[in-house]
Amino acid sequence: DAGITQSPRHKVTETGTPVTLRCHQTENHRYMYWYRQDPGHGLRLIHYSYGVKDTDKGEVSDGYSVSRSKTEDFLLTLESATSSQTSVYFCAIKDTVEETQYFGPGTRLLVL
Amino acid sequence: GESVGLHLPTLSVQEGDNSIINCAYSNSASDYFIWYKQESGKGPQFIIDIRSNMDKRQGQRVTVLLNKTVKHLSLQIAATQPGDSAVYFCAENIRSSNTGKLIFGQGTTLQVKP
Repeated sequence: DAGITQSPRHKVTETGTPVTLRCHQTENHRYMYWYRQDPGHGLRLIHYSYGVKDTDKGEVSDGYSVSRSKTEDFLLTLESATSSQTSVYFCAIKDTVEETQYFGPGTRLLVL
Repeated sequence: GESVGLHLPTLSVQEGDNSIINCAYSNSASDYFIWYKQESGKGPQFIIDIRSNMDKRQGQRVTVLLNKTVKHLSLQIAATQPGDSAVYFCAENIRSSNTGKLIFGQGTTLQVKP
């Protein structure tokens, strides 16, 4: 499972509230990614990180921010959740030697 | 723009038959391709990958074929089993970008009939 955990695994929140999702890895991978998965859209990249404090935007970054203060943790924050952010969120890591990305188990978020 | 797509949204096969899942890509600069399997309620799981300097790569019961001329790749699963039922995604990457960003297709659902 590439040593990736995500928390929480499920969350229900209300519109306008802040939400933070955590991705934790145990194998010191440099690259970490946040995706969202929605029916009809597949997996879309939100933000990614290529090192501690080094992050960049993906294709659907509006309404999201990220932080990476240490190698093992990559946090995704919804500053003010909206119903359009109801989705399943996946974290992924990349092996620095190969290009394969390995995914975590996902977080199912429902914004009411 | 760039896109990776799968030809069929759902593929239904009989247990024991071979399955072929197809994928088209549009970016000729892509040089690395990955197939993932996603079971219900789980994250995508790596199956097999192939680089653009190869035409074919085999794994355990799976084979990926790459045709760069027509920008097409396929995943072949031999002797399909009920445990192979899942959604299969192809993804492409440009290695020189060094960001590891992948572009995913929509996915094909494989249903295995007993």
